[in-house]
Amino acid sequence: AQKVTQAQTEISVVEKEDVTLDCVYETRDTTYYLFWYKQPPSGELVFLIRRNSFDEQNEISGRYSWNFQKSTSSFNFTITASQVVDSAVYFCALSEGVLNTGFQKLVFGTGTRLLVSP
Amino acid sequence: NAGVMQNPRHLVRRRGQEARLRCSPMKGHSHVYWYRQLPEEGLKFMVYLQKENIIDESGMPKERFSAEFPKEGPSILRIQQVVRGDSAAYFCASSPLAGPYEQYFGPGTRLTVT
Repeated sequence: AQKVTQAQTEISVVEKEDVTLDCVYETRDTTYYLFWYKQPPSGELVFLIRRNSFDEQNEISGRYSWNFQKSTSSFNFTITASQVVDSAVYFCALSEGVLNTGFQKLVFGTGTRLLVSP
Repeated sequence: NAGVMQNPRHLVRRRGQEARLRCSPMKGHSHVYWYRQLPEEGLKFMVYLQKENIIDESGMPKERFSAEFPKEGPSILRIQQVVRGDSAAYFCASSPLAGPYEQYFGPGTRLTVT
């Protein structure tokens, strides 16, 4: 079965610190997709990134960057110079069985709560 | 361009009542997914629907839960005879096509069973 592990339950940092959120996944699929979502205190889910298993290039978007390493089955997320508005729960997710079923259902980790204090 | 709409945002039901949760996908999206988030947990897949068809309901409890996505109108997740353990946030997501596309999530419906 596919599984996503976010070992960090909660992280607290002070504004302007860099912070990395870890995500480790398990899958038997050779083709799969990884996602990060942000859930701010208001509760909605905000899509951040999708990465397919063939693309191991790191990605940077402003203060956000992602490090995908197939060798360690990890897809870590780094926020540089964190801000109070980054306070949220962050979920890593894995798509399951896309090639077999033609659609994807996401398997989510349990989330990491990030608290950024001023 | 409206996003995924869910209503109500908050729903309170007494044990034994029925809960109906509605989801209107993004314009042009005909694929809908329902997920449930129990307190302090990640989201768990419940069901995937296309217009008038249930494609995969492997995550749905066998009893009391049902889902539909009619030709016209929103997708409905229905929970009959609710129990306290049904208290959770229910999220709907939509995508334009089947396959590995981004799923865009609605704001969720928070169901509280008293």
